[in-house]
Amino acid sequence: EVQLVQSGGGLVQPGGSLRLSCAASGFTFTTAWMNWVRQSPGKGLEWVARIKSKTDGGTTDYAGPVKGRFTISRDDSKNTLYLQMNSLKSEDTAVYYCSEIGLGLWGQGTLVTVSS
Amino acid sequence: EVVLTQSLDFQSVTPKEKVTITCRASQSIGSSLHWFQQKPDQSPKLLIKYASQSISGVPSRFSGSGSGTDFTLTINSLEAEDAAAYYCLQTGTLPFSFGQGTKLEIK
Repeated sequence: EVQLVQSGGGLVQPGGSLRLSCAASGFTFTTAWMNWVRQSPGKGLEWVARIKSKTDGGTTDYAGPVKGRFTISRDDSKNTLYLQMNSLKSEDTAVYYCSEIGLGLWGQGTLVTVSS
Repeated sequence: EVVLTQSLDFQSVTPKEKVTITCRASQSIGSSLHWFQQKPDQSPKLLIKYASQSISGVPSRFSGSGSGTDFTLTINSLEAEDAAAYYCLQTGTLPFSFGQGTKLEIK
């Protein structure tokens, strides 16, 4: 079955760190360009980051609000995508989705709450 | 940065009506514009990619058109199950960006 299964997330204090994971199956993960997208409660969708496949350079790109604090990475041996989130702020509170946009694949979403 | 502006934030429509949602980009993005449907507590679902390319499994009443800065999602003969939020996304220029969303309510 083609799917993205997310894990991680939860409650973290401002200034803290958290790592999200996204396990891929049923498609060729190694050639996929993967993204993270988030959605604050009751709000619209916001693109967060993208990582290209290693064969295409493996380069990463970020949205302005998370640049320098978040790191997207991948482990092709485990078919897994990651999002390391540091120096978290209250405005980072959101449901985070991993996605292979072109294939129309989305994870189930995971809630990250930044609060003291 | 490319700003995407959807024509309406909210629209109340009746079944079998034809619905058009537009998405305008602040600069040309070619055909790198995609449409998504999101129902409450669900992940987004890809409806149309690259402005007009249909997606397997998506009902044929959904279609897309446009290029450059002006794009349209059309839903022919609206059904009750189409009640949802609709978003456009541009991947032509980094950083990628979404429109603010259009919520469709079925009367």
